[in-house]
Amino acid sequence: DTGVSQNPRHKITKRGQNVTFRCDPISEHNRLYWYRQTLGQGPEFLTYFQNEAQLEKSRLLSDRFSAERPKGSFSTLEIQRTEQGDSAMYLCASSLGEGGQPQHFGDGTRLSIL
Amino acid sequence: AQSVTQLGSHVSVSEGALVLLRCNYSSSVPPYLFWYVQYPNQGLQLLLKYTTGATLVKGINGFEAEFKKSETSFHLTKPSAHMSDAAEYFCAVTTNAGKSTFGDGTTLTVKP
Repeated sequence: DTGVSQNPRHKITKRGQNVTFRCDPISEHNRLYWYRQTLGQGPEFLTYFQNEAQLEKSRLLSDRFSAERPKGSFSTLEIQRTEQGDSAMYLCASSLGEGGQPQHFGDGTRLSIL
Repeated sequence: AQSVTQLGSHVSVSEGALVLLRCNYSSSVPPYLFWYVQYPNQGLQLLLKYTTGATLVKGINGFEAEFKKSETSFHLTKPSAHMSDAAEYFCAVTTNAGKSTFGDGTTLTVKP
């Protein structure tokens, strides 16, 4: 169990640029989740995958956001035309099975929009 | 729909004192409940979970929580606080599909 890995740890970019984050889950975990966390708040659900299928997307996930999980392994989260309000910590988690199983979190990618 | 309310965004205790962090939830189905801890610039780590069975759940680092269905609560306790317990704590309710709703967190400060 090598844990959930997220890259990069920090991303600073100018408003209007596109950014992409990567998440490598624990290898045998079939579920992968993306959350966004802003200062002073708990993580907010964005989307999740079971294997390669994206099963649910939050209304927080505007058209500028897209997530993929090709082949059911790693996942990418892309934000196009970044805005100031996108500044946050983006957390990835993975789990094996359904809701009763705990989610294992990565250390997150902190996005700062200049 | 589900929601989580953590009462008290900041809790301060003295080292050796009882820790009590409050969590109330709302869920339309029997919930799965979790407590996580987060240290600065890190992800969340699982402290304990309630799925079914015994309502008093023991977790890591001496923490425990009691599921009270009648009160829709899942408060986190530790008999004696340690300096290393200073962190942010999140309560979460999860559906069977695995989608989690988190509270806004409680920052625990431990005074020497």
